[in-house]
Amino acid sequence: GQNIDQPTEMTATEGAIVQINCTYQTSGFNGLFWYQQHAGEAPTFLSYNVLDGLEEKGRFSSFLSRSKGYSYLLLKELQMKDSASYLCAVKRLTGGGNKLTFGTGTQLKVEL
Amino acid sequence: DTGVSQNPRHKITKRGQNVTFRCDPISEHNRLYWYRQTLGQGPEFLTYFQNEAQLEKSRLLSDRFSAERPKGSFSTLEIQRTEQGDSAMYLCASSFGRSITGELFFGEGSRLTVL
Repeated sequence: GQNIDQPTEMTATEGAIVQINCTYQTSGFNGLFWYQQHAGEAPTFLSYNVLDGLEEKGRFSSFLSRSKGYSYLLLKELQMKDSASYLCAVKRLTGGGNKLTFGTGTQLKVEL
Repeated sequence: DTGVSQNPRHKITKRGQNVTFRCDPISEHNRLYWYRQTLGQGPEFLTYFQNEAQLEKSRLLSDRFSAERPKGSFSTLEIQRTEQGDSAMYLCASSFGRSITGELFFGEGSRLTVL
């Protein structure tokens, strides 16, 4: 089976840095995604990690440790528009191909 | 607009009725996924197609749910004899099989309310 854990809610201040953690247990691990989802909208791709280490993309960075089953998403210079749900998703190689399994999401609220 | 398109965007129906949702993926994407999402939860996998072949179906999916992708392009998801517990957002996503990441591109979703 699979288990993906991430905090339900987080609050941070505009201009600050926030780290959203994700831990997972799965077989056939083949990569980890972070998606952003604003209320009532579709999830949109933020980052992808398949090897250990840090991937940086502008204000957003994502880290992966495969041996620990751990990832985090780092958001710098927070803006009000960053208020959204952040979904951790594990890609697993199955008989039919790759499948993404999502965590429950972390609702981030950015305050003034 | 060349993204994933879903319709209808909203559907309100009475318990026991059948509903059908349509998804048009990005044209060059050969993989198509259906997910279901309820408030405060992440998307839950329902089923997956590669071209016209349905390769995987969630064990959580009852026999009332059926999906097709007859020509390997658009897909339909039908729910028969709807129940109030079927109320959710139904998300369609597509991806390109040769993509290095396998990133999924999501549509805006079809919101179902069963009264």
